[in-house]
Amino acid sequence: RKEVEQDPGPFNVPEGATVAFNCTYSNSASQSFFWYRQDCRKEPKLLMSVYSSGNEDGRFTAQLNRASQYISLLIRDSKLSDSATYLCVVNSGGSNYKLTFGKGTLLTVNP
Amino acid sequence: NAGVTQTPKFQVLKTGQSMTLQCAQDMNHNSMYWYRQDPGMGLRLIYYSASEGTTDKGEVPNGYNVSRLNKREFSLRLESAAPSQTSVYFCASNAGGTDYEQYFGPGTRLTVT
Repeated sequence: RKEVEQDPGPFNVPEGATVAFNCTYSNSASQSFFWYRQDCRKEPKLLMSVYSSGNEDGRFTAQLNRASQYISLLIRDSKLSDSATYLCVVNSGGSNYKLTFGKGTLLTVNP
Repeated sequence: NAGVTQTPKFQVLKTGQSMTLQCAQDMNHNSMYWYRQDPGMGLRLIYYSASEGTTDKGEVPNGYNVSRLNKREFSLRLESAAPSQTSVYFCASNAGGTDYEQYFGPGTRLTVT
């Protein structure tokens, strides 16, 4: 099992749609979880951290299920500007030094 | 604050040539990282430096060397470039401690012919 696996995508959705990304991780010792966003030909940037209780930031909701080693990201009311690649990221074995990145899921929001 | 800066932005090398990719951060971060990103492979860690004076191998260190010159700067050297090293290289930094967020530079697009 790969360390971090994401939906391969790509996802094409109309504006206003709700879209969900899923991610699983293999290292049960992982303690920190994130979603990064990467625009085409740009660097990755932190979208949000993921907490055990779940967390929300505007139209974005992240969930963590430690028992199933599963992370999700929900985007409501999609905007054209949400078009990007979304990366699921997990820290490695309890150390904050190393992060393991999923391959990413490409989202295109269409008018 | 410029954040994380990388030079050069683009580079074309011939097989066997050497070069050094430069990275600097002005956020007083303790930890710095070098990744490569290839289509279909995602970001892979090459080397990292948890603090000034230390460096460690990541997932794909072969063919690379690094130097943590001081707290601000972390360079990546390709001694004898190979076509398999054609990639986009990202440098990143984070504060360490309980700050897990990594801040990335704009990347260097390297082509080895």
